[in-house]
Amino acid sequence: KAGVTQTPRYLIKTRGQQVTLSCSPISGHRSVSWYQQTPGQGLQFLFEYFSETQRNKGNFPGRFSGRQFSNSRSEMNVSTLELGDSALYLCASSLLEGAEKLFFGSGTQLSVL
Amino acid sequence: EDQVTQSPEALRLQEGESSSLNCSYTVSGLRGLFWYRQDPGKGPEFLFTLYSAGEEKEKERLKATLTKKESFLHITAPKPEDSATYLCAPRGSARQLTFGSGTQLTVLP
Repeated sequence: KAGVTQTPRYLIKTRGQQVTLSCSPISGHRSVSWYQQTPGQGLQFLFEYFSETQRNKGNFPGRFSGRQFSNSRSEMNVSTLELGDSALYLCASSLLEGAEKLFFGSGTQLSVL
Repeated sequence: EDQVTQSPEALRLQEGESSSLNCSYTVSGLRGLFWYRQDPGKGPEFLFTLYSAGEEKEKERLKATLTKKESFLHITAPKPEDSATYLCAPRGSARQLTFGSGTQLTVLP
């Protein structure tokens, strides 16, 4: 059974640009959550999508947005990038909504210059 | 606001030397306490979920326990392959995980 797939693995952007990250969940999983991981703040919850609807949201500015498609694949978008957005962005999928037993991908390492 | 503190931040053990990792939490309406393991360059890997005080779960050399304010991850006779960062994450009434900063475990051969 294939795991959670995130693309791309690495990204380098400059301030002010926007970026889109992609996540393919485990087959049959309908919940996709996104997390930001930095050395200083650790893992922080961004949002969760279930059946194409955002079900929960963390404390991040509106520059961070996401969506989920009918096949459960999800994308996350960050607009007007700031230096502080440099982080590992992790996607996790689950059978059920509400952060039950998450399966994480290997993440997208975003560097903002 | 939900809060989680893990200690110690880093732990070095000799192979076979047992120890415990601590996770202290303040969460409104606990709906599970999750333990994950993270290896460098990878996403966290699920280990355990505990739902009520007094509950214990085991997997190979690991045993997780839960009280009303803390959870412990006991590592018995660790091996070098147990080296990783261990993360705890309680889930509160907001139904989202609040991750601790982790304990970086190194097991020396």
